[in-house]
Amino acid sequence: SQQGEEDPQALSIQEGENATMNCSYKTSINNLQWYRQNSGRGLVHLILIRSNEREKHSGRLRVTLDTSKKSSSLLITASRAADTASYFCATATLNTGGFKTIFGAGTRLFVKA
Amino acid sequence: KAGVTQTPRYLIKTRGQQVTLSCSPISGHRSVSWYQQTPGQGLQFLFEYFSETQRNKGNFPGRFSGRQFSNSRSEMNVSTLELGDSALYLCASNGRNEQFFGPGTRLTVL
Repeated sequence: SQQGEEDPQALSIQEGENATMNCSYKTSINNLQWYRQNSGRGLVHLILIRSNEREKHSGRLRVTLDTSKKSSSLLITASRAADTASYFCATATLNTGGFKTIFGAGTRLFVKA
Repeated sequence: KAGVTQTPRYLIKTRGQQVTLSCSPISGHRSVSWYQQTPGQGLQFLFEYFSETQRNKGNFPGRFSGRQFSNSRSEMNVSTLELGDSALYLCASNGRNEQFFGPGTRLTVL
C-alpha cells in the first residue's frame, strides 16, 4: 500500500487564490518531497523537507511537516493558471538498502484564469 | 549538467511481446529507480539499482526485471506483456537527498 495519502484528490480554484494540499503518511521518514506533474509528463521536483525541519519556503511554495501527526502540507500562494498540474508527495525512508521513496496518489489542481 | 534521459519516449506493443526501456541518469549518480504510473494505481516503485546491483524492489511480478551497467545507465525489461502493463514508466536519477526524474516512456499494450 502507498505510504502517502493526499487530500484533497482534486482542487479547483481561481487565479490569485491560495491552494493547500495535504499529505499523510504511516511510518517514520527521513525526508518528504513534493513533486509536480503536468499532464502525464515527467515529475518535477519542487521542494524537499527533512524530518528535523518544520517549514520550508521556495518562491510561492510553502511546505510544512508535522512528524508527530505524520503529515505535511503544500501551500501555493497567489496561484496562476500555469500551476494547473498534479501534485504528489513522496516519503523517503533510509534503510540498509538505501533510500526507498513512496508516492502518494496525488492532488489534481485546476487553476481557472 | 545533462538531465535524465529515457528512450524511447513512446512505445506501442501487443500482448505477449516483450519490451526494453532505457534510462541514462545524471552524470555522477550511481543510483537509478524505476516507477510505473497508471491512472488506477498511481506511482508505484518497481526497483532501484546502485552500482549495478538491485538494492530495492517493489511488489511486481517477475516479468518485470532490470539491470544497470557500469556507466550507471539502466534498462528495465517487461516480458510477456499484458494489457495492464500500459503505463508511463518513469526513471529517477538518485542524488544524495533528491530524485531527478526523466520524462518517462509511455508504453501502450494493444
